[in-house]
Amino acid sequence: SQQGEEDPQALSIQEGENATMNCSYKTSINNLQWYRQNSGRGLVHLILIRSNEREKHSGRLRVTLDTSKKSSSLLITASRAADTASYFCAVGGSNYKLTFGKGTLLTVNP
Amino acid sequence: GAVVSQHPSRVICKSGTSVKIECRSLDFQATTMFWYRQFPKQSLMLMATSNEGSKATYEQGVEKDKFLINHASLTLSTLTVTSAHPEDSSFYICSARDRTGGQETQYFGPGTRLLVL
Repeated sequence: SQQGEEDPQALSIQEGENATMNCSYKTSINNLQWYRQNSGRGLVHLILIRSNEREKHSGRLRVTLDTSKKSSSLLITASRAADTASYFCAVGGSNYKLTFGKGTLLTVNP
Repeated sequence: GAVVSQHPSRVICKSGTSVKIECRSLDFQATTMFWYRQFPKQSLMLMATSNEGSKATYEQGVEKDKFLINHASLTLSTLTVTSAHPEDSSFYICSARDRTGGQETQYFGPGTRLLVL
């Protein structure tokens, strides 16, 4: 299975701290994407990193990809209470299908 | 940005009835739409891939006769849950891929919460 596996399953931090979430997968990929989901809502695309890229930034987000270890990490710097949500990684294959991991529930305490 | 809508956002129905969920891409044309279901506190599971003008491709274990998918235009796909039962209660989310070539990003709808009594 290409399914991504995030860890930790849950993360609780204080506002202003950095949050790091990790994702591991099993097979080769075309790209890896990170999404955010607020409780009971749809998904918001955060960032896409291609298999030939190692690092990507977008605002307070930093994503790394290590294809040799089949892993990726999402770093959110200077977290805010509004960052509280579930974060999912999804591996993209050659047919545009996405396979999602189980997600990390991030709680940022004010 | 690309916007995908779903209707209805929430539906409650009796066991045995059929429910139709619409997924629309509002400001772009979507050659491909995807349907997912998500149980509480779990991940999204891909149910099927819907291509405009052709039959949907279902993932293993998903009953095509129970989850009817129609992708009649480049901006609309529908999922019909036929003869719904309580175990079909779930959060159904669609996504759409921009028709523009090379777009790997999927844009997700806000989801439809189905409760079957």
